[in-house]
Amino acid sequence: EVQLVESGGGSVQPGGSLRLSCAASGFTFRTYWMNWVRQAPGKGLVWVSRISFDGSSASYADSVKGRFTISTDNAKNTVYLQMNSLRVEETAVYYCAIHDTTHLLWAWGQGTTVTVSS
Amino acid sequence: NFMLTQPHSVSESPGKTVTISCTGSSGSFASNYVQWFQQRPGSAPTTVIYEDHQRPSGVPDRFSGSIDSSSNSATLTISGLKTEDEADYYCQSYDTSNHVVFGGGTKLTV
Repeated sequence: EVQLVESGGGSVQPGGSLRLSCAASGFTFRTYWMNWVRQAPGKGLVWVSRISFDGSSASYADSVKGRFTISTDNAKNTVYLQMNSLRVEETAVYYCAIHDTTHLLWAWGQGTTVTVSS
Repeated sequence: NFMLTQPHSVSESPGKTVTISCTGSSGSFASNYVQWFQQRPGSAPTTVIYEDHQRPSGVPDRFSGSIDSSSNSATLTISGLKTEDEADYYCQSYDTSNHVVFGGGTKLTV
């Protein structure tokens, strides 16, 4: 069974930076996409970014392009989300979610909370 | 920008059947699969339907998904409603740039 464990959340001031991590285990597929999805308090799911298993392809929501960077460390089965110039409105629970490249069966982590406040 | 529109909320009694719609703003459904996620209060989302109508192992067959290409819409149907089905439900697909798009979510009250 796929397990995703997010870490790195916390409190930061507006304009600050955080790096989130998502450690994956228990999956048998060789190729996959890893996504970051966030959910502001009381709001819906919003896609942030995704990366291919080998890091060769990455894409971002327009709202974070140029400020967030997604990366992967295959040796550690870990995906990172470097978040710079954070804004108050980016306060949210950040989830990572994985699916293989042949089947769109998403598996989700439990999320990590990011609070951006002065 | 491609958008997915869901009803804000639906309500139905236990044992009944409910449908939740998800309408695309353009013809993307013809070439992209739709997934449905369930999110109970205080919990992470889980997948109840993937690739339009596939059910993950462990999801009861009371959950089903369908696509109507003519109206560019997807539908999640839950039959024999149980109180444990009370949750937020999100549809998800992709735009023409292969970016992930979520619907706004539907709150199901049983």
